[in-house]
Amino acid sequence: ELKVEQNPLFLSMQEGKNYTIYCNYSTTSDRLYWYRQDPGKSLESLFVLLSNGAVKQEGRLMASLDTKARLSTLHITAAVHDLSATYFCAVDLTGNQFYFGTGTSLTVIP
Amino acid sequence: DTAVSQTPKYLVTQMGNDKSIKCEQNLGHDTMYWYKQDSKKFLKIMFSYNNKELIINETVPNRFSPKSPDKAHLNLHINSLELGDSAVYFCASSQQPAGGQYFGPGTRLTVT
Repeated sequence: ELKVEQNPLFLSMQEGKNYTIYCNYSTTSDRLYWYRQDPGKSLESLFVLLSNGAVKQEGRLMASLDTKARLSTLHITAAVHDLSATYFCAVDLTGNQFYFGTGTSLTVIP
Repeated sequence: DTAVSQTPKYLVTQMGNDKSIKCEQNLGHDTMYWYKQDSKKFLKIMFSYNNKELIINETVPNRFSPKSPDKAHLNLHINSLELGDSAVYFCASSQQPAGGQYFGPGTRLTVT
């Protein structure tokens, strides 16, 4: 079974700092997704990465995919409080089968 | 207009009861899913339907039965509810190939 691991599980960072969340997966796939979930809310799609070397950026967030290393990263630049949320990566195995990572709970401290 | 909607939003029921959750998407997507999110926020896929056909049926007790009357709807019926069924259930849809998923607001099921 595909395993998707994220680290760290919990991240507390100060405003203005940079940090990276890592997503490792155990089986070959070139489709990787990042989602954000606010407390008590649903999931919101952030990035869709569909090939080796793909890089996407939106505001202070940048996601990348290395399919050979089976690794995706979500980089946060100059964190602000509004980025506090839980971030999930998900790997699509067959086009209809998504496996989610454990989630990273991010708290940005003023 | 809401892209993916679920009803009800909250569901409190007793053990042994049967309940249903409904999901509708107005995005024209071909594929719909049901996920279970437990108290530790772990998300696990339960079912995947493509154009009303069951594609994925993960290891889920057969008390859970999905039904897709058309490609815009995917309902989840749960028989003989157990305490361990308490969770948030999310419906989602996507357009293949390789489309990202759009999630519904979730249904918080509490079994007492």
